[in-house]
Amino acid sequence: GDSVTQMEGPVTLSEEAFLTINCTYTATGYPSLFWYVQYPGEGLQLLLKATKADDKGSNKGFEATYRKETTSFHLEKGSVQVSDSAVYFCALIGNTGGFKTIFGAGTRLFVKA
Amino acid sequence: EAGVAQSPRYKIIEKRQSVAFWCNPISGHATLYWYQQILGQGPKLLIQFQNNGVVDDSQLPKDRFSAERLKGVDSTLKIQPAKLEDSAVYLCASSDLAGGGPGEQFFGPGTRLTVL
Repeated sequence: GDSVTQMEGPVTLSEEAFLTINCTYTATGYPSLFWYVQYPGEGLQLLLKATKADDKGSNKGFEATYRKETTSFHLEKGSVQVSDSAVYFCALIGNTGGFKTIFGAGTRLFVKA
Repeated sequence: EAGVAQSPRYKIIEKRQSVAFWCNPISGHATLYWYQQILGQGPKLLIQFQNNGVVDDSQLPKDRFSAERLKGVDSTLKIQPAKLEDSAVYLCASSDLAGGGPGEQFFGPGTRLTVL
């Protein structure tokens, strides 16, 4: 079945460092890919998405490119801030069998001042 | 626009007891999801409704879990009887795309269940 694999955390970075959180997926067909973020004490919210190969999703300085050839959707940010400290979830919605949503295990990011 | 509402926010019960959670999605959203999020893991889809019909319940433990969405609006998720391994946060989400397609899901704050 479909699955999502994320790099394990926690990831600890200093402010202004470059961030990469790896995400790879297994799916039949052509899923849509998402990054959700959960800030401390808050609910899950959509960060960005891409619905077809080579699409780039971007929001709040974060970017991720849908790479079908490597089945990846890595999250990047050029310069992280303390306020980016959160848990990041990669997810896919398959386009077969009823648009089922699969989440990765999440990667916790700590950014130090 | 009001967000997804869930209640209660916290619940503590003993094993073998029953519990129910309630969700009110964003007005007009046709698709409603219930997820189980165990500590340290990502959300796992339990059941997905489109209006008041079930789209996917393949991961719902049907011997103890049940869910309904009467009139295609709010929804309840019930566990009876609860087990220790049911301790988790139960998340409700909704989406306005017909067929539950690849659109944004809006999440509620969740209900944290502790089974003793």
